[in-house]
Amino acid sequence: AQSVTQPDIHITVSEGASLELRCNYSYGATPYLFWYVQSPGQGLQLLLKYFSGDTLVQGIKGFEAEFKRSQSSFNLRKPSVHWSDAAEYFCAVGSFGNEKLTFGTGTRLTIIP
Amino acid sequence: EAEVAQSPRYKITEKSQAVAFWCDPISGHATLYWYRQILGQGPELLVQFQDESVVDDSQLPKDRFSAERLKGVDSTLKIQPAELGDSAMYLCASSLARTGRAGELFFGEGSRLTVL
Repeated sequence: AQSVTQPDIHITVSEGASLELRCNYSYGATPYLFWYVQSPGQGLQLLLKYFSGDTLVQGIKGFEAEFKRSQSSFNLRKPSVHWSDAAEYFCAVGSFGNEKLTFGTGTRLTIIP
Repeated sequence: EAEVAQSPRYKITEKSQAVAFWCDPISGHATLYWYRQILGQGPELLVQFQDESVVDDSQLPKDRFSAERLKGVDSTLKIQPAELGDSAMYLCASSLARTGRAGELFFGEGSRLTVL
């Protein structure tokens, strides 16, 4: 069965600093990987996705993620965070033939001035 | 921009009562999902539809939950009777992808259920 681990429950970053959110997945075949963001009381918005090809994926709002098969990781990065980036971030995994996404437990990002 | 519509946004009910949530996916999206998100956790799939057919309802508590998508467009998720542990956000999502490829899911704003 596929699974996702987000080891950091809560991260605090200063505005303007760089950010990296960790995601590890477990799946036997080639995974499809996603990062979603959720503002309080809202639904989820897709930041970026990886299906195949270039392992460095660019997304919206200046985010990027790198797929590392050897480490079973898909970490999310941003070079300089803005106060509006404060939210909950979810990593998710799917696969060919299985449209169901399995989500991690999320990482809550707090931005301090 | 097309959106997934959900209602109601908030619902407070007493345990043992019935509750229903409605979802209207983005036009043309064949696949519809209902996820449940307990506070502090990630979304968990309850049921997946491909057009009007159920593809996966293995995690749906069928003794009290039911879901339908009769015409392959909008969908209703019902809980009867509601229990305290059902308090959660119920998220609807839709996808253009058909069977065989995990596609981008578009989520609605969710329906927050509180059971007293």
